Amino acid sequence: EAQVTQNPRYLITVTGKKLTVTCSQNMNHEYMSWYRQDPGLGLRQIYYSMNVEVTDKGDVPEGYKVSRKEKRNFPLILESPSPNQTSLYFCASSAVGQGYGYTFGSGTRLTVV
Amino acid sequence: AQSVTQPDIHITVSEGASLELRCNYSYGATPYLFWYVQSPGQGLQLLLKYFSGDTLVQGIKGFEAEFKRSQSSFNLRKPSVHWSDAAEYFCAVRNSGYSTLTFGKGTMLLVSP
Repeated sequence: EAQVTQNPRYLITVTGKKLTVTCSQNMNHEYMSWYRQDPGLGLRQIYYSMNVEVTDKGDVPEGYKVSRKEKRNFPLILESPSPNQTSLYFCASSAVGQGYGYTFGSGTRLTVV
Repeated sequence: AQSVTQPDIHITVSEGASLELRCNYSYGATPYLFWYVQSPGQGLQLLLKYFSGDTLVQGIKGFEAEFKRSQSSFNLRKPSVHWSDAAEYFCAVRNSGYSTLTFGKGTMLLVSP
């Protein structure tokens, strides 16, 4: 089944403790992206990657890191999480080209206390 | 930079009534437009997309949308709403370089008996 898999689904952590949210897709998509969703703000792009070893900042990259060493994986790293990073995070992937939509993962609800 | 406006934060529709959710976009070139639906606790599911051709596009679950370039709009419609349509709906525009999918802030649809 074609899908984007995120782990974990839920995570509670403490301020400053490094964490990684994994994202993997099985559709051989070139493009991958991370979004955060907050009430009243909709979805905002954190980082994206057009292909292996090619990443760039989205609208809200502060406090996050990403890497794209393999085509299928695009982990999101929070080196020193803070409470304002409490949010619902989505990973998405897409083929690159006209008319392609994104396939989204099921989301990771992160709480930083 | 592109942007998307969904003027209605909440809409309540009676079951069986028709539905129209509004979406206005701002983008300099030909836009690639999408509607997504998010049920509570779920990820985002693609309803339909427009990138060229016929301005009236059909999607899943009986939804359709009409692209009107002169009004910079891409409104979502359904002739008869079912209780299971209650969810949050997001309009989005993708840039021609495929690097960014910009979302509106969403419209929450409530369906009354």
